[in-house]
Amino acid sequence: QQPVQSPQAVILREGEDAVINCSSSKALYSVHWYRQKHGEAPVFLMILLKGGEQKGHEKISASFNEKKQQSSLYLTASQLSYSGTYFCGTEGNAGNMLTFGGGTRLMVKP
Amino acid sequence: GAGVSQTPSNKVTEKGKYVELRCDPISGHTALYWYRQSLGQGPEFLIYFQGTGAADDSGLPNDRFFAVRPEGSVSTLKIQRTERGDSAVYLCASSKTGFRETQYFGPGTRLLVL
Repeated sequence: QQPVQSPQAVILREGEDAVINCSSSKALYSVHWYRQKHGEAPVFLMILLKGGEQKGHEKISASFNEKKQQSSLYLTASQLSYSGTYFCGTEGNAGNMLTFGGGTRLMVKP
Repeated sequence: GAGVSQTPSNKVTEKGKYVELRCDPISGHTALYWYRQSLGQGPEFLIYFQGTGAADDSGLPNDRFFAVRPEGSVSTLKIQRTERGDSAVYLCASSKTGFRETQYFGPGTRLLVL
């Protein structure tokens, strides 16, 4: 089953924070986060492996709660370049392919 | 180094025709994936190669779709008797070994079936 992302869309002012959630109904081994701008390929942000690990990269970080089968992406002090659609891709214990959520459209305004 | 490349970037064809889409993965990556992305949706898994063999083709929608990777590098996705519903962006991704690793995506081929 496809993971569920929330919210579906969010509009921010530059400098504001946002949280994007990804929830799965099945057991997960890892969660992958990507950002995609219109007409471009998805760009890798980070991967979280089971173990409740939290990762960070500059002002973008993420957490993974294995027991709840949920992951959250945290965007702090958003910049105009953060605009795009964010996808979580989940990997179960049985395979290597990713099952992607429907995406969260983020728009950062000046 | 060079990323994943895909050709053509755009393909327009008529219903019933045959098309081939090519993917050149990152050099040295043994795992290769094909996904399909419809407008406003996330990528949908089609097939996964480990080396030359298809390790998982459970995402291929029907027998009109076929993919090969004869030398463990370049892969070709083949669609026979195309239908209007096949219109989408076809994305290719590769990863080093395929085991719980980052998948790097190519720019995609935008297929339009008229």
